[in-house]
Amino acid sequence: RKEVEQDPGPFNVPEGATVAFNCTYSNSASQSFFWYRQDCRKEPKLLMSVYSSGNEDGRFTAQLNRASQYISLLIRDSKLSDSATYLCVVTILTGGGNKLTFGTGTQLKVEL
Amino acid sequence: DVKVTQSSRYLVKRTGEKVFLECVQDMDHENMFWYRQDPGLGLRLIYFSYDVKMKEKGDIPEGYSVSREKKERFSLILESASTNQTSMYLCASSVGQDYGYTFGSGTRLTVV
Repeated sequence: RKEVEQDPGPFNVPEGATVAFNCTYSNSASQSFFWYRQDCRKEPKLLMSVYSSGNEDGRFTAQLNRASQYISLLIRDSKLSDSATYLCVVTILTGGGNKLTFGTGTQLKVEL
Repeated sequence: DVKVTQSSRYLVKRTGEKVFLECVQDMDHENMFWYRQDPGLGLRLIYFSYDVKMKEKGDIPEGYSVSREKKERFSLILESASTNQTSMYLCASSVGQDYGYTFGSGTRLTVV
């Protein structure tokens, strides 16, 4: 089983729609959680951290459910510029300390 | 903003060559990482370093080595390049183990 699993998509949505992505992780000891955004042929960029109480940044809302070991990202009022791949990321405790483990990403395409 | 600079955007090397990929960060970060990214497999950690002259194996260290002689520079070495090492290589740095990473723009390596 992969440590971090995401639906690869693509999710094709019209501009203005609300779209949600889920991600599950297997290590119950995971401590930190993030969503990254990656544009085609570019490097990943941190979108937002995910906190236990849930957090919001403009049109983006992230939620964490530790009991069920999943993370979600909600995007409201989708823009064309939101088209990208969204990577779910968790920290995994290793002998050398915590390291980030990435999901393979969910592709979002926002259309006119 | 933190800047992570990778020395080459594109590289083409021959099988059996020794290849050096350089990464420099300008924010005095302790932690540096090398990932490779392949379609369908996502980002996989090759090596990481939490301090000068310190290195830890990631998930796929075979065929690679690293060097961190100075805090700002983390080099990835392919001792004898093989075609299965054709990939996008991404360097990242972070201020702490539980913080998000800043990535370089990547080096797309092709081994022929």
